[in-house]
Amino acid sequence: AQSVSQHNHHVILSEAASLELGCNYSYGGTVNLFWYVQYPGQHLQLLLKYFSGDPLVKGIKGFEAEFIKSKFSFNLRKPSVQWSDTAEYFCAVNGMDSNYQLIWGAGTKLIIKP
Amino acid sequence: GAGVSQTPSNKVTEKGKYVELRCDPISGHTALYWYRQSLGQGPEFLIYFQGTGAADDSGLPNDRFFAVRPEGSVSTLKIQRTERGDSAVYLCASSDGAGVPYEQYFGPGTRLTVT
Repeated sequence: AQSVSQHNHHVILSEAASLELGCNYSYGGTVNLFWYVQYPGQHLQLLLKYFSGDPLVKGIKGFEAEFIKSKFSFNLRKPSVQWSDTAEYFCAVNGMDSNYQLIWGAGTKLIIKP
Repeated sequence: GAGVSQTPSNKVTEKGKYVELRCDPISGHTALYWYRQSLGQGPEFLIYFQGTGAADDSGLPNDRFFAVRPEGSVSTLKIQRTERGDSAVYLCASSDGAGVPYEQYFGPGTRLTVT
């Protein structure tokens, strides 16, 4: 079965530090990849997505992610984090059996110290 | 415009009872999804509606779980004979089409606690 792994469950950084959150998926075929974010007290919202084309995808709030097919990875990056980036981040994939059913990672809780 | 809404926001029930969780999708969205999120986990797919019909209910864990969307808008997730293991946040999402590239918009969730 398709699965998604997020390596870090908790990350603590200081403001202005660079961020990279890992995401690996198990399926070797065509995939669509997503990062969602959940700010404290808010609902899940889409941060960025990859369907095809340029493997470097830019999203909202200065986030970007790179799809590396050979590594089955879709890591999320931001060069300089802010306190307002404190949130939980989820990687999700679809593609194997369904183009709508999302398979999710367990999430990474990111805390930014002011 | 209004986003996806879910009621109630919290529900505490006793083991063995029946519960209904409601989802109001974004107006005009034809696709509706239910997910379940347990503590420390990502969301887990339960069921997908296209219009009034359940196009994929493969994620429903057993026959105690059922969902309807009679008029192609509001959906209700129904859980019979609740068990403590059903405790989770139940998320609803909607999109204005199915599949890629349609973005799924999520509601705030209903936190269900079975005592």
